[in-house]
Amino acid sequence: GQQVMQIPQYQHVQEGEDFTTYCNSSTTLSNIQWYKQRPGGHPVFLIQLVKSGEVKKQKRLTFQFGEAKKNSSLHITATQTTDVGTYFCAGTLYNFNKFYFGSGTKLNVKP
Amino acid sequence: DSGVTQTPKHLITATGQRVTLRCSPRSGDLSVYWYQQSLDQGLQFLIQYYNGEERAKGNILERFSAQQFPDLHSELNLSSLELGDSALYFCASSYQGQGNEQFFGPGTRLTVL
Repeated sequence: GQQVMQIPQYQHVQEGEDFTTYCNSSTTLSNIQWYKQRPGGHPVFLIQLVKSGEVKKQKRLTFQFGEAKKNSSLHITATQTTDVGTYFCAGTLYNFNKFYFGSGTKLNVKP
Repeated sequence: DSGVTQTPKHLITATGQRVTLRCSPRSGDLSVYWYQQSLDQGLQFLIQYYNGEERAKGNILERFSAQQFPDLHSELNLSSLELGDSALYFCASSYQGQGNEQFFGPGTRLTVL
């Protein structure tokens, strides 16, 4: 079954609104990575989180890793049309050395 | 440009046929990963090689096989192709294992008619 769940599947927002996607695992993760795939493009690495409770920021993007290292979120403040794409989380299961991508959240931003 | 190259870019073939997809990792990267992405779907991990050896296996069909060569390039072989195998196949590379950032190639779009 799916090891890393991601919600929502789709999100439509008006430009300027905030956006959040959530990633959940039933198993503790060693680390979590986030990728962005633009329409017609390939996934591009955004960030990696390793520590429990870690928070990292990249301009308007805020990434969090849960205290139990089972969930993560990506929050975009004041979305822009350039944020359009699919955001994937990807986690390595602790002690299993297995790597799973979430199903992705497709973000559409209306100007 | 990620530094990962994949050939061919597009491939159209018929059911029952066999194809080979090729990937050259970024210079210095030892791990190669293969993923399948069907239309508007997520990334399905197929297999990972590290320095020539199979490291991890995902949901790879028995009709599919892969290998990594001494020069670290990799090939994904798909045989007895079915209509449902039509998808975008991505190769990614990383310096070491799964804890490292993966760099994705542009993908090979396979169409099975």
